[in-house]
Amino acid sequence: NAGVMQNPRHLVRRRGQEARLRCSPMKGHSHVYWYRQLPEEGLKFMVYLQKENIIDESGMPKERFSAEFPKEGPSILRIQQVVRGDSAAYFCASSPKDSGHYEQYFGPGTRLTVT
Amino acid sequence: GESVGLHLPTLSVQEGDNSIINCAYSNSASDYFIWYKQESGKGPQFIIDIRSNMDKRQGQRVTVLLNKTVKHLSLQIAATQPGDSAVYFCAENLNFNKFYFGSGTKLNVKP
Repeated sequence: NAGVMQNPRHLVRRRGQEARLRCSPMKGHSHVYWYRQLPEEGLKFMVYLQKENIIDESGMPKERFSAEFPKEGPSILRIQQVVRGDSAAYFCASSPKDSGHYEQYFGPGTRLTVT
Repeated sequence: GESVGLHLPTLSVQEGDNSIINCAYSNSASDYFIWYKQESGKGPQFIIDIRSNMDKRQGQRVTVLLNKTVKHLSLQIAATQPGDSAVYFCAENLNFNKFYFGSGTKLNVKP
């Protein structure tokens, strides 16, 4: 059973470009979460999605950031017009549907560098 | 807002000793807690969890203690090994599976 997959693992973008980060949850998991981590800091919640629904986006910046989890395919975190402050590691986690355990399984992360 | 913080940013221990990593949380309504281990360049890895109706839970070489009175969580690692060197995060869950993470404690195991 493959774990949570994220790609790319490393992404370099120039200021003003768009960044697209992909996350494929574990098989059978329909809940996806995105977190951002700055160096030497903890993970900060960004958004929680289920298939075709955004459940909680309270941690997402209001502008330039968007997320989706379509019926088919991976979840996408999109950052438009990137700025240097967007440089961070972005982690995706997934959990099983109707799980009473609540454990989240994390992917290896995408390290975004904005030059 | 909710916040989770750690008392010690860096902890150095001798191989074979026991390690204790502490965490304070601020929201008394949080009902589920997880300790994660993160090695350099990797995603967080689940270590152990505990629900708010418990005050202690043991795993393999690890024990988590929860003190709801003072909103304190600790992770004890027995017979610490070099492979335990990593950053450890506590995370609290309030609702909808959303976790709030502390800033982490770096554990350095000296051979």
